[in-house]
Amino acid sequence: AQTVTQSQPEMSVQEAETVTLSCTYDTSESDYYLFWYKQPPSRQMILVIRQEAYKQQNATENRFSVNFQKAAKSFSLKISDSQLGDAAMYFCAFAPTGTASKLTFGTGTRLQVTL
Amino acid sequence: NAGVTQTPKFRVLKTGQSMTLLCAQDMNHEYMYWYRQDPGMGLRLIHYSVGEGTTAKGEVPDGYNVSRLKKQNFLLGLESAAPSQTSVYFCASSSAMRQGDEQFFGPGTRLTVL
Repeated sequence: AQTVTQSQPEMSVQEAETVTLSCTYDTSESDYYLFWYKQPPSRQMILVIRQEAYKQQNATENRFSVNFQKAAKSFSLKISDSQLGDAAMYFCAFAPTGTASKLTFGTGTRLQVTL
Repeated sequence: NAGVTQTPKFRVLKTGQSMTLLCAQDMNHEYMYWYRQDPGMGLRLIHYSVGEGTTAKGEVPDGYNVSRLKKQNFLLGLESAAPSQTSVYFCASSSAMRQGDEQFFGPGTRLTVL
């Protein structure tokens, strides 16, 4: 069974600054997928970024990028030029390969963005 | 294109009552999932389906049943609700075209069991 750990229950960042959210996971699988999902107060789960474990290159989506360290089983999310709209819960998630992407989620990090 | 929709959005039940949550998706996805989200915890997988007529257990299946009679719908049933089933329930769907593809989530159903 996989586990996903997010050790930062809350983080705060000033507008326009950069913040990094941490995530570690434990698995015996060699190939898998990792995700960061955002959950704003509306409760809607929104995909932020996706990483395939067999790719060494870190995924990037506009202001969002990851630092994927496979050997350390670490998958952190960096948000650059933070905006007020980035305030939300952020969940790290793991999915093994195979039929259906059954996600295992971390407990989440609440990000506050201040002026 | 509505994506993933869930019915109802809110519900209050008394212990022992039954109910069915309906999930519908219009993206022609093969895979569908039911998760629950409790305070201080991430989403946990209850049941999932890899196609019409198929279902499988997830991490926390006890007390729930599911059915997928049509590709676009995935039903979650509670036969005898318990206070421990008070939670927010999310349905999701994903395509079989690419492994590890993004899951698209519905807006959630807040269920309270008294």
